[in-house]
Amino acid sequence: EAAVTQSPRNKVAVTGGKVTLSCNQTNNHNNMYWYRQDTGHGLRLIHYSYGAGSTEKGDIPDGYKASRPSQENFSLILELATPSQTSVYFCASGDVDWGGNYAEQFFGPGTRLTVL
Amino acid sequence: QQKVQQSPESLIVPEGGMASLNCTSSDRNVDYFWWYRQHSGKSPKMLMSIFSNGEKEEGRFTVHLNKASLHTSLHIRDSQPSDSALYLCAASMSNYNVLYFGSGTKLTVEP
Repeated sequence: EAAVTQSPRNKVAVTGGKVTLSCNQTNNHNNMYWYRQDTGHGLRLIHYSYGAGSTEKGDIPDGYKASRPSQENFSLILELATPSQTSVYFCASGDVDWGGNYAEQFFGPGTRLTVL
Repeated sequence: QQKVQQSPESLIVPEGGMASLNCTSSDRNVDYFWWYRQHSGKSPKMLMSIFSNGEKEEGRFTVHLNKASLHTSLHIRDSQPSDSALYLCAASMSNYNVLYFGSGTKLTVEP
């Protein structure tokens, strides 16, 4: 089965501090995604990437940056963390199937971030 | 406006009963629908997907899709306490590898 790992699993940060969330996938998927999950909002897409060196803005990119230095790694960076960014963050990877159709996404275990 | 709407927000069914969950997209460019299940404290995992009009069955789970109305539904028969989870509906568009998720339906199956 597809393997996506995230670190750290839990993080407490101070307002105004810099936070980096890391994601690694061993599936050789081209596409990677960062979501946040808050009660009542399901999963909201922050940034995504089609491959090494590429990043794209999702639905809620403000206050976040992303970096994809390699096929396996995708980071989410909060340059100036705010309490409103307290949430659970999920990384996912996915790809197209042999027919060129979009295939499922595989999610990491999540990172619980608290900004005080 | 959220592209994907789910109803109900929460649902309680007795063990052995039928659970029916609904999902609609407001974006006519959507082609594919996905159902993910997320147990408490865990990450979402894909349950079923459907791309064509009609019905698809896998064990106790059946999904329906009406592409004209962009409505999909998930039905779980003989519900078990282990089915208690947050069910997330997602939609995607051809050649655009992004999923749009709804807010989810929290299903509780009572023994």
